[in-house]
Amino acid sequence: EVQLLESGGGLVQPGGSLRLSCAASGFTFNSYAMTWVRQAPGTGPEWVSVISGGNTYYADSVKGRFTISRDNSKNTVYLQMNSLRAEDTAVYYCAKGSHSWDYWGQGTLVTVSS
Amino acid sequence: AIQMTQSPSSLSASVGDRVIITCRASQGIRNDLGWYQQKPGKAPKLLIYAASNLQSGVPSRFSGSGSGTDFTLTISSLQPEDFATYYCVQDYNYPYTFGQGTKLEIK
Repeated sequence: EVQLLESGGGLVQPGGSLRLSCAASGFTFNSYAMTWVRQAPGTGPEWVSVISGGNTYYADSVKGRFTISRDNSKNTVYLQMNSLRAEDTAVYYCAKGSHSWDYWGQGTLVTVSS
Repeated sequence: AIQMTQSPSSLSASVGDRVIITCRASQGIRNDLGWYQQKPGKAPKLLIYAASNLQSGVPSRFSGSGSGTDFTLTISSLQPEDFATYYCVQDYNYPYTFGQGTKLEIK
C-alpha cells in the first residue's frame, strides 16, 4: 500500500525557516518524481515544486526561497523553506509522481505569523 | 505561466443530474490536463488524467474530454458523494497551474 506521510509543519515567524519531510512507502521511491503542492486556507491548490531525476522546478512564488531535495536511502523528499512570508501559510501536501498525482499525503500545516 | 480558467465557479445541482465543468487554458496544452475532486479537509483525488483517461477505481459516470485549450469534465448522473470541489490542472509545462475550482453543491 502506498503511503506518504508529511511532517515538519508548524508555526513560524515571518522571515523564518522550516523543513518539511515526506516519508514514502509502498512503492519503489527512487523510480518516481515527487511533487509538493500547497493549499492556502479557503483557496485552491497551488503547485510548488517537483524533483524529477536530477532536475528540480519551482513555482515563481517560491523560487529562490524554497529548495526541494530527496534522500532515496530514506525514501524521503524534503522541502526546505526559507524567508517565509505570511502568504506561504498553507497545508503542504507531497504527491507521488511528476503529474497525474494518484497518491497524496495527508498534508502538514504551515502557519507564518508573528 | 499558463492560466487555467474554470467555469462555473459554483454550481447547484440535484442527484441524478448531468453536470459539465469546463476548463480553458491560456495557451495550447495538448491533452496535458488532469481533473481532481476535493472534499473538505482531504487531499485532492485524481479523477481524470491526460484529459480523457479515467483513473483506476473512479466511477464511470466521470468522463473528460478536450485538447488544446478547451476541456470538460462531465458527471453523467450525480451521486450524493459527488458533491465536492473540482479542479483542473495543466501539466504541460512548469509551473503547473490549477484552475480556481468549481464547488458543486446540492440543490
